[in-house]
Amino acid sequence: KQEVTQIPAALSVPEGENLVLNCSFTDSAIYNLQWFRQDPGKGLTSLLLIQSSQREQTSGRLNASLDKSSGRSTLYIAASQPGDSATYLCAVTPNGQNFVFGPGTRLSVLP
Amino acid sequence: SQTIHQWPATLVQPVGSPLSLECTVEGTSNPNLYWYRQAAGRGLQLLFYSVGIGQISSEVPQNLSASRPQDRQFILSSKKLLLSDSGFYLCAWKDRGNYGYTFGSGTRLTVV
Repeated sequence: KQEVTQIPAALSVPEGENLVLNCSFTDSAIYNLQWFRQDPGKGLTSLLLIQSSQREQTSGRLNASLDKSSGRSTLYIAASQPGDSATYLCAVTPNGQNFVFGPGTRLSVLP
Repeated sequence: SQTIHQWPATLVQPVGSPLSLECTVEGTSNPNLYWYRQAAGRGLQLLFYSVGIGQISSEVPQNLSASRPQDRQFILSSKKLLLSDSGFYLCAWKDRGNYGYTFGSGTRLTVV
């Protein structure tokens, strides 16, 4: 059974810092991996989707990498801003249909 | 462009009352549809998914049921709510291709 973990559970950084969020999954046979952002009391917003054949994806200040063989993905946020404060979740799917989610990393960027 | 609508945004219901949450998708056809629940301090739990009209798969046996009466409509129901049904319910859709999820804005359900 696929299990997804995220480290750290919570992170607080001053504005302007570069930071890395980590996601690990137990079964490397994934179809793709998706990173989401969730603001308090809101739905999930998709940030990046990495296909199993890809190594990384970039969108603005965000860069996500995927290492299937080691069961890891990282989300890199450059020059963090207070508006980046949210919970970040990663999710993997073995078949392109149902995703398994990690518990999330709660990020606070202090002005 | 595709959009997903979920309502109501918040709901307070007494124990034992029925529940009906609705989710609709626009701008796509034959999507996969999903219901997730996010309990306080816990991760997202897949409740139901559907690959077509009338086709429902249940991931967790519980007090809830789901139906898909139309291609782009997904309904989550309960005949009698329990206190443990409280949580944040999220609907999502996905194209049949190799794409990711798109989520609705969620429904905050409080059972009192």
